[in-house]
Amino acid sequence: GQQLNQSPQSMFIQEGEDVSMNCTSSSIFNTWLWYKQDPGEGPVLLIALYKAGELTSNGRLTAQFGITRKDSFLNISASIPSDVGIYFCAGLPNTGNQFYFGTGTSLTVIP
Amino acid sequence: EAGVAQSPRYKIIEKRQSVAFWCNPISGHATLYWYQQILGQGPKLLIQFQNNGVVDDSQLPKDRFSAERLKGVDSTLKIQPAKLEDSAVYLCASSYDRGGTGELFFGEGSRLTVL
Repeated sequence: GQQLNQSPQSMFIQEGEDVSMNCTSSSIFNTWLWYKQDPGEGPVLLIALYKAGELTSNGRLTAQFGITRKDSFLNISASIPSDVGIYFCAGLPNTGNQFYFGTGTSLTVIP
Repeated sequence: EAGVAQSPRYKIIEKRQSVAFWCNPISGHATLYWYQQILGQGPKLLIQFQNNGVVDDSQLPKDRFSAERLKGVDSTLKIQPAKLEDSAVYLCASSYDRGGTGELFFGEGSRLTVL
């Protein structure tokens, strides 16, 4: 299957700091989705991206669909304790109809 | 709007026993997915349905796993017999997009522990 490389694997930051994470692939993707998963819960959709270069915000979260269509980025500004969780990217290849998930970025926010 | 419903939330069984998980997708969502999420990993697709037909089951271990969506709404995922490596969270997701390319909405998951 498709490999999505998500980095960093984990982050420990101070409350109020900004956060950046990314997801890369060797293949071209048509859609990128970003999810947050809290312990014991299912992933919750944060942002969906459908066009190369697209920049979309959801509150303090901003995600971008990379111009090469092989990557995507998620930024969180002014982090707060409730941002703690695991963030997953998911991509839909241009040659398939199945979403592939990254390995996740674990975020810890220190008050 | 009600979200994706799954049950049970937790299940503990011994190896070689059987288990079944149930999912009720968001109303009107034609596409339903079952994902397996092993601790520390991202979800991996097991099977994808569009209405009551199977779109993709290439990653479903068919010797022990089975799934059905008889009336195009609810779905059941069964494991028989279970192995230790089946310990994971089983996530159900649904999508409005009939082509399976729309946004996925997940349930809370069913956590399986095989002893």
